[in-house]
Order: sequence, then C-alpha cells, then structure tokens
Amino acid sequence: AQSVSQHNHHVILSEAASLELGCNYSYGGTVNLFWYVQYPGQHLQLLLKYFSGDPLVKGIKGFEAEFIKSKFSFNLRKPSVQWSDTAEYFCAVRGGSQGNLIFGKGTKLSVKP
Amino acid sequence: EAQVTQNPRYLITVTGKKLTVTCSQNMNHEYMSWYRQDPGLGLRQIYYSMNVEVTDKGDVPEGYKVSRKEKRNFPLILESPSPNQTSLYFCASRIVGVSNTEAFFGQGTRLTVV
Repeated sequence: AQSVSQHNHHVILSEAASLELGCNYSYGGTVNLFWYVQYPGQHLQLLLKYFSGDPLVKGIKGFEAEFIKSKFSFNLRKPSVQWSDTAEYFCAVRGGSQGNLIFGKGTKLSVKP
Repeated sequence: EAQVTQNPRYLITVTGKKLTVTCSQNMNHEYMSWYRQDPGLGLRQIYYSMNVEVTDKGDVPEGYKVSRKEKRNFPLILESPSPNQTSLYFCASRIVGVSNTEAFFGQGTRLTVV
C-alpha cells in the first residue's frame, strides 16, 4: 500500500532562512508527486507537481522540489522564506496517473518576522 | 471558471441528526473524492468515485455514505453524525484516462458535531 511520510511536524524559521521539508513515500511503481500548501483558514493550493522528466521541479512562490527516485524522496525547498510562507504543507503521492491521492500528515511552518 | 464547490462551508449540528454535504464540479471530471482533515493526521480519504454509479471506500469510510447519480455531484452523507466526525472536509475531482493531471479541491466544509 502507498504511504507518505513527512518527517517534521512543526518547523520554526526566521525570515530569510532556507527551508527544506522532507517527504518520503512508499510505492513500488510509477508515481505522481505533489506538494500542497494550506494557509491558515484556507483550502489546499497546489504548490508544485512532478509527473516525469526533470526531477527538479519549480512551483509557485519560489518553491522547488527534487524527486530522488533511489531515496523515494520528494523534498520541498525554498532558499529564503518570508513571513507570508507561514502555513501547513502537505506532500502527496499518487500511484501512477489513475491511483488515489495519498497525503502525508503535514508540516506546519511558522516564520518569525 | 473551473471549480469544485462545496456546501455548506460551515456547519454545526447535533449528534444523530442526518446531514448531507454537497460537492459539485463543473469540469466534467469522472473521478471525485472526499477527504477529512484532522490535526496531526493530514488528509485521509473517505470515499471516492471513478464515475457515475461507481463508488469505493477510502481509508476511513465508517460512518459515511456517498452517492454518484450524476457526474457533476458527489454528496457526502452522515446518517447519524457523532462528535468524532467533527473535522474539516474536502471534496476533490480530476479527469481520468489522461496522464499528468492534478486534482482540484473544493474550499472545504468545517463540520462540528456536538
């Protein structure tokens, strides 16, 4: 069965610090990978996605993620965070293009001004 | 505008009083799904539907029912709500049979059962 593991429950950073949020998944076949963001009181928004090709994908708001197949990982990065990045971040995996979307438990990011 | 619409956005109800949360999409998507989001647990899938009249259980289906009589609608039914169903609920839809597509999410429904 598919599963997604996000290593950090809560990350606290100061503005301008670099961010890396870990995500590992368990699935034996082809996967589609996603990062979603949920700002306080709001719905999910797609940050970026990986389907195939270049393993380094760029998303909105300066975020990027790297798919490392050998490590079953899809970590999210941002070189310099802002206070407005305070939100909860969810990694999600879909087995192939037709499977169900399985989410990790989420990582809360708090950025201190 | 392409969207997934959930109603209501907020609902407070009492234990045992049947309720329905509606979900409608205007993108002609075959696949629709319901998730619940709880602190520290992320989003967990309740039910999904691959097309009209085809529904399947997700990871946490107990206490919920769904129906898919029309392609655009996928209501979530709580026949006898209990306090442990207090949660934030999201509906999602996507196209089937096409590679490299993403799911579209509704705005969420915050349900409180007292």
